[in-house]
Amino acid sequence: AQSVTQLGSHVSVSEGALVLLRCNYSSSVPPYLFWYVQYPNQGLQLLLKYTTGATLVKGINGFEAEFKKSETSFHLTKPSAHMSDAAEYFCAVTAPYSGGYQKVTFGTGTKLQVIP
Amino acid sequence: GAGVSQSPSNKVTEKGKDVELRCDPISGHTALYWYRQSLGQGLEFLIYFQGNSAPDKSGLPSDRFSAERTGGSVSTLTIQRTQQEDSAVYLCASSLVAGAGNTIYFGEGSWLTVV
Repeated sequence: AQSVTQLGSHVSVSEGALVLLRCNYSSSVPPYLFWYVQYPNQGLQLLLKYTTGATLVKGINGFEAEFKKSETSFHLTKPSAHMSDAAEYFCAVTAPYSGGYQKVTFGTGTKLQVIP
Repeated sequence: GAGVSQSPSNKVTEKGKDVELRCDPISGHTALYWYRQSLGQGLEFLIYFQGNSAPDKSGLPSDRFSAERTGGSVSTLTIQRTQQEDSAVYLCASSLVAGAGNTIYFGEGSWLTVV
C-alpha cells in the first residue's frame, strides 16, 4: 500500500520568496515519486520525478525536490517565486505492482498563491 | 496526436442520463489511465488499460461506471444513470509503457456537471 500526504492545502508566498511545498509518503517498497502542476482549467503537467539515483531532482521552471528516505519526504522547492507559479501542485507516489504497471497515488494537492 | 485529447471538455447532463467521455491518448502509448478529480479532493484512480484490456478496474466507484478501449488507442468512459455525486473532472492519461517510473501525460479533462 502507498499513500501521500501534502501538508497545507493552501500556501501563500510573496513574489521572489522561497517556495516550499511539503510532501510525505508511505510505501512498503522503494517508491517512485512525482510532482505535478495543474494550472487553472488545464490537465496535470509533470514537474519532476525521482526513480533511482541522485536524491536531488531538478525539474522544469526552476523547481527541485529532494528525496529523503529517513524522513519519508519529497518536498518541492523553488528559490524565488514568480507570479506564473500560481497553480495547484500534486505530489504522487507509485511502485511497481505484480502486474508490471504503475498505480499512481496522488496527494490532495496544494494551491500556491503568489502575492505581488 | 501531440498530447492526450479528451472530449467533451464540458458536459452538463440531467440526473439519470447516461454520458460518454472520450480519450485519445498520445500516439503509440500502450498504457491508458482514467482518474477522477472532485472539488477539493485529490485524484482518484478509476481504471487502467494495457492495450485493449483492463487489468485493474478496482477504482470504478460502482457498476454504473464502465470503460473500454479499442484498437489500443481511443478509450471511452461511460457513466450510466448519472447522479449528482458523479459531478467531477474526469482526467485521462497515457504513458508509453506501463512500467513504474514512466512519465504519465494527462489530458485537460472532461468537466462533468450533473444537475
